[in-house]
Amino acid sequence: EVRLVESGGGLVQPGGSLRLSCAASGFTFSSYWMSWVRQAPGKGLEWVANIRQDGSEKYSVDSVKGRFTISRDNAKNSLYLQMNSLRAEDTAVYYCARDVNDFWSGKWIDYWGQGTLVTVSS
Amino acid sequence: QTVVTQEPSLTVSPGGTVTLTCASTTGAVTSNYYPSWFQQKPGQAPRALIYTTSNRHSWTPARFSGSLLGGKAALTLSGVQPEDEADYYCLLYYGGARVFGGGTKLTVL
Repeated sequence: EVRLVESGGGLVQPGGSLRLSCAASGFTFSSYWMSWVRQAPGKGLEWVANIRQDGSEKYSVDSVKGRFTISRDNAKNSLYLQMNSLRAEDTAVYYCARDVNDFWSGKWIDYWGQGTLVTVSS
Repeated sequence: QTVVTQEPSLTVSPGGTVTLTCASTTGAVTSNYYPSWFQQKPGQAPRALIYTTSNRHSWTPARFSGSLLGGKAALTLSGVQPEDEADYYCLLYYGGARVFGGGTKLTVL
């Protein structure tokens, strides 16, 4: 059974930093791209960033470029999101998701974690 | 900035059929955008329904189908059930990055 468990959310002041983690199990983590997706309270989904299997390729939405860094540790089956210079508008539930990004198979997101809430407020 | 547009809300009767669409400000949505669809119910994580335009995941009921329609990606629900009341999101691929649509709130009434 594929399982994704996020952790590291909480309350942080504007301008502060937070590191989210996602523990993966039930599949060969090192064989998949991975994504972070967020959802502000009462709003829609926003794709944040993704990372290639070996970490050599990354993409992110413009609003987090230069502030958020996605990374992974395949030996620990873990995905991370380092969030710096946090703003009130970054307040959201952050989901970790398995990402398929393959020339032959196609491109999609299938499995999701339950999310971790990040609140940026003074 | 790329924007992906969906109907904000739709209403359908139980047993009826409804089609949700997904458009891109960059032009017609084609299979090269690898459109996918997700369902989200209140308090739950999203659940994947359709990938690469029209493929159902193993857990997706057959009443959900995906297609391309008039330059947009489309999700059709046939024989709608009360439990299909939820928010639905499309996701498009833009050369590595991805963009979600704003979501459609589907009411079954």
